[in-house]
Formats: sequence, C-alpha cells, structure tokens
Amino acid sequence: LAKTTQPISMDSYEGQEVNITCSHNNIATNDYITWYQQFPSQGPRFIIQGYKTKVTNEVASLFIPADRKSSTLSLPRVSLSDTAVYYCLGDNAGNMLTFGGGTRLMVKP
Amino acid sequence: NAGVTQTPKFQVLKTGQSMTLQCAQDMNHNSMYWYRQDPGMGLRLIYYSASEGTTDKGEVPNGYNVSRLNKREFSLRLESAAPSQTSVYFCASRNPATNEKLFFGSGTQLSVL
Repeated sequence: LAKTTQPISMDSYEGQEVNITCSHNNIATNDYITWYQQFPSQGPRFIIQGYKTKVTNEVASLFIPADRKSSTLSLPRVSLSDTAVYYCLGDNAGNMLTFGGGTRLMVKP
Repeated sequence: NAGVTQTPKFQVLKTGQSMTLQCAQDMNHNSMYWYRQDPGMGLRLIYYSASEGTTDKGEVPNGYNVSRLNKREFSLRLESAAPSQTSVYFCASRNPATNEKLFFGSGTQLSVL
C-alpha cells in the first residue's frame, strides 16, 4: 500500500502553469502513479497515469523521477474551471486503492 | 454504456434504521469499491471487492457490510445507521489487470438524523 502526501491547498491565477507534487516514499515496484480530479458534488475522474519519466496527455503532464518516490502533476495554463481537488494514488494491482486528502487548487481570475 | 450507477442519489435516515446502497457497473470490471467522503475531506475506502466472490475491508469498515452480488453489482449495507455515517458515498469500479483507472458513480448523499 503506497501512502501519499500532498499539499493541502494551492492558489493560482488563470493562464499560469500549476505544478502539484505528491510524495510516495513507500511506492512498490509494480505500483503505477495515478492522478484524479474531483469537482464539488461529483466523483473523482481520471487525469493521468504513469510509471516512470514523463507522460503527457491532452489535459496534463506527469513527471516521475528515477527513484519514483515522488511525482509532479503539471497543469498548463489553468483556467477557472480547473478549480478542483486533485488526488494522487499509488496504484497497485493488489486493489486496495486509498486516497489521501488531496490538494485543493483554487484558480483566481 | 451507463458506466457506474448508484441508487439512491439522496437518502435521509433516522438513527438505528438500516438501508442498502446499490451500485452497478456495465463495463465488465472485476474490481469494485465503496468510498465515503465527509464534507471538506478526502475519500476513505470502506470495502472493496477485488473480484466476484471476494470482499475485503478497507480503511473504515466498521458499521458497514457489503455484498458482491455478481460481477455487475456491489451493495453497501448500513445495519444500524448512526449520525457519524452522514456522508457522501461513492462506488467505483475498474479492471485491475491492466492498471486501468477507477470509474466513479455520481454518489449517494446520506444524512442520518
């Protein structure tokens, strides 16, 4: 079980790049790192997943250093609609998927 | 495809009453999960079912029971509701063999008076 630690909250302004770092010191060899986004009154939804180095999709980039003890979610040019809670998970095929407290991102105009 | 469907969406109970929250998925996923989320907090895992026929305790199982009825359905039962169980409950599913992402339902808002 990979416990994760994230900042409780972050503030940003529209158009800025936001980087949210997650620590997962006990990540297992076969764990993937997965990030989810949650809006109020909704269930979380998948953003991005990676195992090592860098992954990029249409929404975000995920940077994972060689030791895999942390990961950084990068949101380019955020907008007001990116205001949400972001969670990182150490994702293993063992199935006990636990969320930490997440990072509350507030994007201001 | 409907994805993950939860019923009911809202429920008010009195202390001591029982109820079952229903969850069904149509994506042929092996694993299913129940989470609770208290206001302003993160999600906490109650129970999960890695595959049909198996269930395991999560972080906060006390006061709950689950049934994996078949591959599609995973229900959560509160035998004797308490005010501390007032929360939003989310069901999720995924196929773990491919490290696939979790798909969540829209949640059940439960109030216990």
